[in-house]
Amino acid sequence: ELKVEQNPLFLSMQEGKNYTIYCNYSTTSDRLYWYRQDPGKSLESLFVLLSNGAVKQEGRLMASLDTKARLSTLHITAAVHDLSATYFCAVDRSGAGSYQLTFGKGTKLSVIP
Amino acid sequence: DVKVTQSSRYLVKRTGEKVFLECVQDMDHENMFWYRQDPGLGLRLIYFSYDVKMKEKGDIPEGYSVSREKKERFSLILESASTNQTSMYLCASGRGTTYEQYFGPGTRLTVT
Repeated sequence: ELKVEQNPLFLSMQEGKNYTIYCNYSTTSDRLYWYRQDPGKSLESLFVLLSNGAVKQEGRLMASLDTKARLSTLHITAAVHDLSATYFCAVDRSGAGSYQLTFGKGTKLSVIP
Repeated sequence: DVKVTQSSRYLVKRTGEKVFLECVQDMDHENMFWYRQDPGLGLRLIYFSYDVKMKEKGDIPEGYSVSREKKERFSLILESASTNQTSMYLCASGRGTTYEQYFGPGTRLTVT
């Protein structure tokens, strides 16, 4: 059974600082997704990582995937308050392309002025 | 833009009632999904559908059923609501080789 672990689960950081959220998973998979959820809102797709070594960047966020280490990272550069949200990673449990995702429990990020 | 809509943002039902949650997507996606989201547990897949009239069980199907009579619409049914089904329910749809899913706004269901 695929297990997906995110850490930290809670993160409070100051504006302007850098930090990384980690997503580890327990079985082989080449596909990983990052989502953002604002309080009371639904999930918004941030990144789709489809192969080993994939790196995607959007603004102050950068996501990468190392399938050999079964690890994805979401790096935040020079955080701003607008990035405050809960971030989820989700892993394709089939490993090679399906809609069957296992989600992590989420990392709640608070960026403090 | 992909749009996934859900019939209600908030619902309050009594134990034992039959509950229908409706989801509609406007992007002609073949695949649709129902999840529930609970604090500390993340999202868990209840049911999904790859085509009209087709359904597959997800990780936690017990106590739920689904219906997909039209491509754009996917309904989640709680045959006899119980208090442990109080949760946020999220619908999603998807298509394409990336298998990316697009989520609706969610329905917060409270069963009393």
